[in-house]
Amino acid sequence: EAQVTQNPRYLITVTGKKLTVTCSQNMNHEYMSWYRQDPGLGLRQIYYSMNVEVTDKGDVPEGYKVSRKEKRNFPLILESPSPNQTSLYFCASSPTSTGELFFGEGSRLTVL
Amino acid sequence: LAKTTQPISMDSYEGQEVNITCSHNNIATNDYITWYQQFPSQGPRFIIQGYKTKVTNEVASLFIPADRKSSTLSLPRVSLSDTAVYYCLVGGTRRNQGGKLIFGQGTELSVKP
Repeated sequence: EAQVTQNPRYLITVTGKKLTVTCSQNMNHEYMSWYRQDPGLGLRQIYYSMNVEVTDKGDVPEGYKVSRKEKRNFPLILESPSPNQTSLYFCASSPTSTGELFFGEGSRLTVL
Repeated sequence: LAKTTQPISMDSYEGQEVNITCSHNNIATNDYITWYQQFPSQGPRFIIQGYKTKVTNEVASLFIPADRKSSTLSLPRVSLSDTAVYYCLVGGTRRNQGGKLIFGQGTELSVKP
């Protein structure tokens, strides 16, 4: 089954404790991206990747890092999480031939 | 990068046609317009995409005027299961369009019996 898988789905952590949210897709898509969703603000893009080893900032990249060492994986790294990074995070992928984004189920992160 | 503006919320009744309009005054020549549907606790799901004029698929139609500064998603005969948030997205993920995407704030559609 074609899908985008995120882990963990839920996480409660404390300020400053590094964490990684993994994202994996099995559709051989070149494009992958991360979003955060907050009430009243819709979906905001954090980082995106056009292909392996090619990443760039989205609208709200501060406090986040990403890497794209393999085509299927695009982890989101929070080096020193803060409470304002409490949010619902979505990973998405897309083939280069169409613009349709395929989203994961989301990861709800709480930073205390 | 084109910023999009949508109504925050809309109400409708079962069986009615619903039209949701998105404004994107600064749309670029290469930008496509895409609409997504999102249910609570789920990731957004693709509905329809277009570049100009009209596009129709099995669930919706997308109307884009000649100046492309706005677009209208049309949902025919909505049912209770169409209650969701609808997002308009302008941009593209094609290699020559760059990868930065900006979603609108979304329109919360509530369908009543």
